[in-house]
Amino acid sequence: EIVMTQSPATLSVSPGERATLSCRASQSVNSNLAWYQQKPGQAPRLLIYGASTRATGIPARFSGSGSGTEFTLTISSLQSEDFAVYYCQQYNNWPPYTFGQGTKLEIK
Amino acid sequence: EVQLVESGGGLVQPGGSLRLSCSASRFTFSSYAMHWVRQAPGKGLEYVSAISSDGGSTYYADSVKGRFTISRDNSKNTLYLQMSSLRAGDTAVYYCVKDQKYVDTAMVTRYYFDYWGQGTLVTVSS
Repeated sequence: EIVMTQSPATLSVSPGERATLSCRASQSVNSNLAWYQQKPGQAPRLLIYGASTRATGIPARFSGSGSGTEFTLTISSLQSEDFAVYYCQQYNNWPPYTFGQGTKLEIK
Repeated sequence: EVQLVESGGGLVQPGGSLRLSCSASRFTFSSYAMHWVRQAPGKGLEYVSAISSDGGSTYYADSVKGRFTISRDNSKNTLYLQMSSLRAGDTAVYYCVKDQKYVDTAMVTRYYFDYWGQGTLVTVSS
């Protein structure tokens, strides 16, 4: 089973600034990685798949990069609605699909 | 837009059973594999189970194998999760998830999760 590790656990950033979230896989997942956003009391929402392709309706300030074992989600200019928990997930080797433990993005 | 609506959650005693349902609409349900993912209170996401589009193949996480059964009724556009021998550790919000396929740069078909239901809470407690 591939283990996904996200860092940091909590990231404090001011609105308007840039946020960079990291995700590492225990072995290569090629580019088969997705990012999800989850707000309190809501279901996760797909942001990025294929490591860098934005899902339908996702603003351009969200971008994903990386391949193999190292991945990054960047939010270029944080809006108030972006403060949430973010999860990465690999779908290269399944079953099972595996998720990172999440990064909480909070207002500084 | 795709809709996934879970139901059937609630409070159950340890050792009890519960059946979750997920009603799907606005897409061709019978063409897609479906999944269940759960989230314990204040915790991360845990992949639980999957079923192929025709119901012929299933997968279970080790943590639920032998206790949970996934099934689907394509004539009713509904996904199910029958849960038995429930434990406190099964307490979680259970999400129904649809996948979406695409072909990657290596010409391999891949599947990611594009739509999630709102979830239904299962609480196992005496």
